Amino acid sequence: EAQVTQNPRYLITVTGKKLTVTCSQNMNHEYMSWYRQDPGLGLRQIYYSMNVEVTDKGDVPEGYKVSRKEKRNFPLILESPSPNQTSLYFCASSPRGGAGNEQFFGPGTRLTVL
Amino acid sequence: AQSVSQHNHHVILSEAASLELGCNYSYGGTVNLFWYVQYPGQHLQLLLKYFSGDPLVKGIKGFEAEFIKSKFSFNLRKPSVQWSDTAEYFCAVKSIWGSQGNLIFGKGTKLSVKP
Repeated sequence: EAQVTQNPRYLITVTGKKLTVTCSQNMNHEYMSWYRQDPGLGLRQIYYSMNVEVTDKGDVPEGYKVSRKEKRNFPLILESPSPNQTSLYFCASSPRGGAGNEQFFGPGTRLTVL
Repeated sequence: AQSVSQHNHHVILSEAASLELGCNYSYGGTVNLFWYVQYPGQHLQLLLKYFSGDPLVKGIKGFEAEFIKSKFSFNLRKPSVQWSDTAEYFCAVKSIWGSQGNLIFGKGTKLSVKP
């Protein structure tokens, strides 16, 4: 089944403890992206990747890192999480980054930073 | 900077009522337009999309949207809502040039349908 998977789905952690949220897609998509969803703010893009080894900042990149060593994986890294990073995180992928491509979303990761 | 405005934060309707959710965007060039739906506790699913051609787009579950270029709008409609349409709806815009595929989302509209 074509899908975007994220792990973990739920995570409670403490301030400063490094964590990684994994994202994987099995559709051979070139483009991948991370969003965070906060009440009343909709979805805001954190980082995106046009292809392997090509990543760039979105609208809210502070406090996050990403890597794209393989086409299928796009992990989101929080080196030193803080409470303002408590949010619902979505990974998405699309065949390419340009026009005419819809994005497919993962199930979400709900992160709480205490 | 590009922006997407969704006019209503929360809409409450009774079953069988008609629905129209507003969406306006600020980008003046060529765009791709999307409506996504998020049911409680679930991820985003694509309802419909507009890339080019007929500005009246039909999506899943009886939803449709009309692209009006002169008004920079892409409003979502459904003639008769059901309780199962209770969800949050997001309009999203992708400019053809510039940001190479980055979606800009509106802040969402929560729809509550009373049985």
